[in-house]
Amino acid sequence: AQSVTQPDIHITVSEGASLELRCNYSYGATPYLFWYVQSPGQGLQLLLKYFSGDTLVQGIKGFEAEFKRSQSSFNLRKPSVHWSDAAEYFCALNTDKLIFGTGTRLQVFP
Amino acid sequence: EPEVTQTPSHQVTQMGQEVILRCVPISNHLYFYWYRQILGQKVEFLVSFYNNEISEKSEIFDDQFSVERPDGSNFTLKIRSTKLEDSAMYFCASSRDRATDTQYFGPGTRLTVL
Repeated sequence: AQSVTQPDIHITVSEGASLELRCNYSYGATPYLFWYVQSPGQGLQLLLKYFSGDTLVQGIKGFEAEFKRSQSSFNLRKPSVHWSDAAEYFCALNTDKLIFGTGTRLQVFP
Repeated sequence: EPEVTQTPSHQVTQMGQEVILRCVPISNHLYFYWYRQILGQKVEFLVSFYNNEISEKSEIFDDQFSVERPDGSNFTLKIRSTKLEDSAMYFCASSRDRATDTQYFGPGTRLTVL
C-alpha cells in the first residue's frame, strides 16, 4: 500500500537549534517526494522536492532533505531554526495524486 | 510568479445547501486537483482532472461532489447537498505534468456547514 508516515506529531525547538523532521514512505516504484509547509490559516507552500538524481536536495528558506532509499525515508533538515519557521510541515508522495503524511507541528521558542 | 487562486476564502452554508468552490489554476497548467483538510487532520486527495474529464477520484468523492472547468480559466468543485462532515478546508492545486511535476496549491477555501 502507498503511504506516508510522519512519526512526530509535535516538535519543539529553540531558535537557532538544528531541526530534523522525519518522513517515511511506502511505495513500490520510484518515489517522487515533497515537503510542504503550512502556516496557520494559510495554504500549502512547497519547500522542496525529490524526483531523482542527487539524494540531498535543497529547498527554500534554508531547508534541505535527504532521500534514503534503503530506509524509505525523506527527512527534512535545517541547521538553524528561526522563529518564523513555526508551522505545520507535511511530507507527501506523488503517485499522480499526492498522498500526505499527518504532518508535524513545529513550535519554536526564543 | 504565477499562483493558484481560490474564492471565496471562507464559505458558510446550511446543511443541505449546494456550494460551489472556485479556483483559477496557473495558466499553462493542464492538470487540476482538489484536496480537503478536515480541521486537525491530514490533507486528503479528492479528485484529479485533465482534458475536461476526471482522471481519478477518491472514495470521498461520491455523487454529492462534481467538478467542472466551465471556461478556460476556472476550475470548480460543487457539493450538491452539504453535510456537517463536509466542513473542511478545500485546496485546489494544479500542475503541468501529472506524474513528475510539482503540484502548486491555492490558499484554500474554508467551508463551514451549519
